[in-house]
Amino acid sequence: DAGVIQSPRHEVTEMGQEVTLRCKPISGHNSLFWYRQTMMRGLELLIYFNNNVPIDDSGMPEDRFSAKMPNASFSTLKIQPSEPRDSAVYFCASSLGQGEAFFGQGTRLTVV
Amino acid sequence: KNQVEQSPQSLIILEGKNCTLQCNYTVSPFSNLRWYKQDTGRGPVSLTIMTFSENTKSNGRYTATLDADTKQSSLHITASQLSDSASYICVVSATDYKLSFGAGTTVTVRA
Repeated sequence: DAGVIQSPRHEVTEMGQEVTLRCKPISGHNSLFWYRQTMMRGLELLIYFNNNVPIDDSGMPEDRFSAKMPNASFSTLKIQPSEPRDSAVYFCASSLGQGEAFFGQGTRLTVV
Repeated sequence: KNQVEQSPQSLIILEGKNCTLQCNYTVSPFSNLRWYKQDTGRGPVSLTIMTFSENTKSNGRYTATLDADTKQSSLHITASQLSDSASYICVVSATDYKLSFGAGTTVTVRA
């Protein structure tokens, strides 16, 4: 398996634009997590899906952020409209239940 | 509030030397504790995962300990190599799946 695949690896966008980050979890994993990492705040859990259903989205900073998981092999994290303070590295991770979580390479987002 | 505190924030060691990283947590109810290694520009990679009943777990030159009574864990790196330079993150999982992350310890190994 190629592991958790995220795209794009880097994204630079202007303030106010819509940004969509994509994630393909490891096949067979039933849990998917979206994280955000910044120097100031470290790793923060944004949202957690189990069997494609959002279980906890309390970490989503505000209504500008939304996440979907239409099927077991694909998830998106959307920011609309984007703001400079959204600049961070966004990680997607997947696991089988409470087993080891495997992280993707991350998407480095820069909003100018 | 569940918290995970790591120390030191950063450290520099010479190649071949040993070092120990600390993690204290207040997460409850406890499920497991994980140590991740994160190289610059890459996603975290799991080194060890320990449950309540496990005291020690090794992965090559990495040895993690867990004292569930005092809620402390340590990660010991033996005979450090240049490739050990990374950020090491302690992650504690509660029984409801929620993960609490430490801020990480940045290790720099110098030749």
